[in-house]
Amino acid sequence: AQKVTQAQTEISVVEKEDVTLDCVYETRDTTYYLFWYKQPPSGELVFLIRRNSFDEQNEISGRYSWNFQKSTSSFNFTITASQVVDSAVYFCALSEANPGTYKYIFGTGTRLKVLA
Amino acid sequence: DAGVIQSPRHEVTEMGQEVTLRCKPISGHDYLFWYRQTMMRGLELLIYFNNNVPIDDSGMPEDRFSAKMPNASFSTLKIQPSEPRDSAVYFCASRRTGVDYEQYFGPGTRLTVT
Repeated sequence: AQKVTQAQTEISVVEKEDVTLDCVYETRDTTYYLFWYKQPPSGELVFLIRRNSFDEQNEISGRYSWNFQKSTSSFNFTITASQVVDSAVYFCALSEANPGTYKYIFGTGTRLKVLA
Repeated sequence: DAGVIQSPRHEVTEMGQEVTLRCKPISGHDYLFWYRQTMMRGLELLIYFNNNVPIDDSGMPEDRFSAKMPNASFSTLKIQPSEPRDSAVYFCASRRTGVDYEQYFGPGTRLTVT
């Protein structure tokens, strides 16, 4: 069965600190996709990144970086030099790549509070 | 391009009333998903459509919930009769086959049933 675990329920950091949000997944599929979404206090869900199971390259986008490791079934998200605007709930999600089965399995989310 | 559009953004209704939530997916997207988010259960997939056809409604909680997609640019989620436990944020999302696998979410409808 598929499962996504975000063990960190809430994290608080002081502005300019680096913070890593953990995501561990379970799947029997060899082809799958992983995603991160941000849900700011305004409530919308904002897509941040997609990674497929064949691409283990780390990705950096500005202050955001993602570390995908199949060996540990993890897809962790790091924010460098955090800012107050980064305060949000962050969700990790897993999706099978089988045709016709594009459901997401969401983690429970990690609430990040960045204090000024 | 406009994103996924949902209406209303907020809905307050009394128990027993019918509630209809609306969604317009991104143009050209052929998959549409309805989710419900609560503190207790997190994000739950209720139903999804492909080319206007319902593919999987196993997440619909009970017969009081129904969803339709009469055309590629419009979908509704109806609750009749509504109950206080239906209070939640309902999200609609869409995606496009063959190009990418991510879903793009609407702003959500916050439903409060009193």
